[in-house]
Amino acid sequence: DAKTTQPTSMDCAEGRAANLPCNHSTISGNEYVYWYRQIHSQGPQYIIHGLKNNETNEMASLIITEDRKSSTLILPHATLRDTAVYYCIVSPWGGGSNYKLTFGKGTLLTVNP
Amino acid sequence: EAQVTQNPRYLITVTGKKLTVTCSQNMNHEYMSWYRQDPGLGLRQIYYSMNVEVTDKGDVPEGYKVSRKEKRNFPLILESPSPNQTSLYFCASSLSTRYNEQFFGPGTRLTVL
Repeated sequence: DAKTTQPTSMDCAEGRAANLPCNHSTISGNEYVYWYRQIHSQGPQYIIHGLKNNETNEMASLIITEDRKSSTLILPHATLRDTAVYYCIVSPWGGGSNYKLTFGKGTLLTVNP
Repeated sequence: EAQVTQNPRYLITVTGKKLTVTCSQNMNHEYMSWYRQDPGLGLRQIYYSMNVEVTDKGDVPEGYKVSRKEKRNFPLILESPSPNQTSLYFCASSLSTRYNEQFFGPGTRLTVL
């Protein structure tokens, strides 16, 4: 699976948009970009995924560059409850052989009042 | 409510005393998996199951056993726990379709003395 690179930490003001970047320069054609988050030792939570088009759901938007080597997760109006570690994960179509999600260190997003 | 449940949530035990951590999902998911999370090492897959009676090793299976006799349950068994198995454990499940959207349980914090 492709490796991802994320900043260690980011801050965001409450009510503002949070933009979390991720580099995945070795992504291959059948690999999707997934975003999960983990709020203080709770179970990770799925946020969104995409292949090459921009995606939006009720939680967030995902912008993937045309060359697919990087992506940005956007939380449009961050709240204090969005403070969490955000993981960018690349996983093959169909989950690969074992559906394993390879979690890196992620980005600790702190939303400040 | 669709969910993955784990029991117990917290457990302190002693070396060598067999224990079982239960995991149950009510979403009729085919795929289930166990991860452990340790500081500095992130989440690592222990075992996974693609369906009833089908299980396989993940990245760190030593010292653990699993079984999948029913679709909804996937218990994690530590036959002779050791202090290096002190960790935060997460169970996850997925529909096992094209996309790797996994639902995680709330976690079990295990301490082996």
